[in-house]
Amino acid sequence: GAGVSQSPSNKVTEKGKDVELRCDPISGHTALYWYRQSLGQGLEFLIYFQGNSAPDKSGLPSDRFSAERTGGSVSTLTIQRTQQEDSAVYLCASSLPGRDYGYTFGSGTRLTVV
Amino acid sequence: GEDVEQSLFLSVREGDSSVINCTYTDSSSTYLYWYKQEPGAGLQLLTYIFSNMDMKQDQRLTVLLNKKDKHLSLRIADTQTGDSAIYFCAERSDQAGTALIFGKGTTLSVSS
Repeated sequence: GAGVSQSPSNKVTEKGKDVELRCDPISGHTALYWYRQSLGQGLEFLIYFQGNSAPDKSGLPSDRFSAERTGGSVSTLTIQRTQQEDSAVYLCASSLPGRDYGYTFGSGTRLTVV
Repeated sequence: GEDVEQSLFLSVREGDSSVINCTYTDSSSTYLYWYKQEPGAGLQLLTYIFSNMDMKQDQRLTVLLNKKDKHLSLRIADTQTGDSAIYFCAERSDQAGTALIFGKGTTLSVSS
């Protein structure tokens, strides 16, 4: 597609439920990133996929968080047993390989846990 | 670990210049970026600078880099109300396979 597409744009869920957030990167972008944006906290790195390499999961805040990327394209971020502190905007970005390329971000999924 | 610091708020009048400052700690940073986020939207890449450069100019935007002090700034000339947004500074280290580290963002408010 022309840009990074994220769905849903908004999600309200009850505490304790599982949620899945989807990211469809720009075609040909081998690198894909998930960040979390909480009020006053800036962007918190969660996980990074690069091609067929093992993902960098160093930013995942707990084992309730997981992500996968199928076929080197679409990625799904799953949060199990959601907690109120998981409420945030989850942003996905993709880029071409190489350090001189900036990221293209999606518009994010606003998750509210009630 | 790496850290990127920014002031949280800046208020200017339309037509004035805005200067948004950022400091970072990772001396191996090779690329430094400025992103803009408008309400309800994702982040948009404004400009970036390679660490062997001191300055980069792009229309109304001027980026200054002081590598010795690990200080980066973004100057917006003739600031307009449409420039009101959150501006994020980000750095990328020299280590392959590392993700961008972002500051907490500076909210720029432009009054007419």
